[in-house]
Amino acid sequence: QKEVEQNSGPLSVPEGAIASLNCTYSDRGSQSFFWYRQYSGKSPELIMFIYSNGDKEDGRFTAQLNKASQYVSLLIRDSQPSDSATYLCAVNIGGGTSYGKLTFGQGTILTVHP
Amino acid sequence: DGGITQSPKYLFRKEGQNVTLSCEQNLNHDAMYWYRQDPGQGLRLIYYSQIVNDFQKGDIAEGYSVSREKKESFPLTVTSAQKNPTAFYLCASSSGLAGGGVSRETQYFGPGTRLLVL
Repeated sequence: QKEVEQNSGPLSVPEGAIASLNCTYSDRGSQSFFWYRQYSGKSPELIMFIYSNGDKEDGRFTAQLNKASQYVSLLIRDSQPSDSATYLCAVNIGGGTSYGKLTFGQGTILTVHP
Repeated sequence: DGGITQSPKYLFRKEGQNVTLSCEQNLNHDAMYWYRQDPGQGLRLIYYSQIVNDFQKGDIAEGYSVSREKKESFPLTVTSAQKNPTAFYLCASSSGLAGGGVSRETQYFGPGTRLLVL
């Protein structure tokens, strides 16, 4: 089992719809969870992080964390064509002394079509 | 402007040659990281450094070397021992020890260097 696994893509949604991206992780001791967006040929840019169970909202983005089920998700409301990118989930596997060391999922490609 | 710079943007390596990728940050971050990304793949950690003059191997360190002589700089050398070096190389930094809470773990990325083999 991979340490961080994202739902297989690519994911295609119509403009204005809600895009749902999921990520599961293997280590129950993980404390911090990050979502990055990566446009083709560019470097990842941070969307948001979450570390408490529940929802965290930032504009059109909502991160959801469920530590008991070991998953974290990202919802994008009112999806726009400019949201078309690869979304990377990153987890601080192990926490503690390995703080700062993130393990990335393989990414989910999202396409928002007009 | 604060940020992370990487150079060059493209780098060509001949067989048997060592090449060095530059990474500089002016964010006053303690921690710096090197990742490799292959097409359609996520990021894999090569090396990381949480403080000057100290660094740790990541998951795929073989064939690579680093140094951390200055807080601002974390160069990566791809040695001739790395038999499949073609990839997109990303440098990142985080506030690390100096930061508080989750913010110290949040990594910010440079623009990347694309390494190709001739």
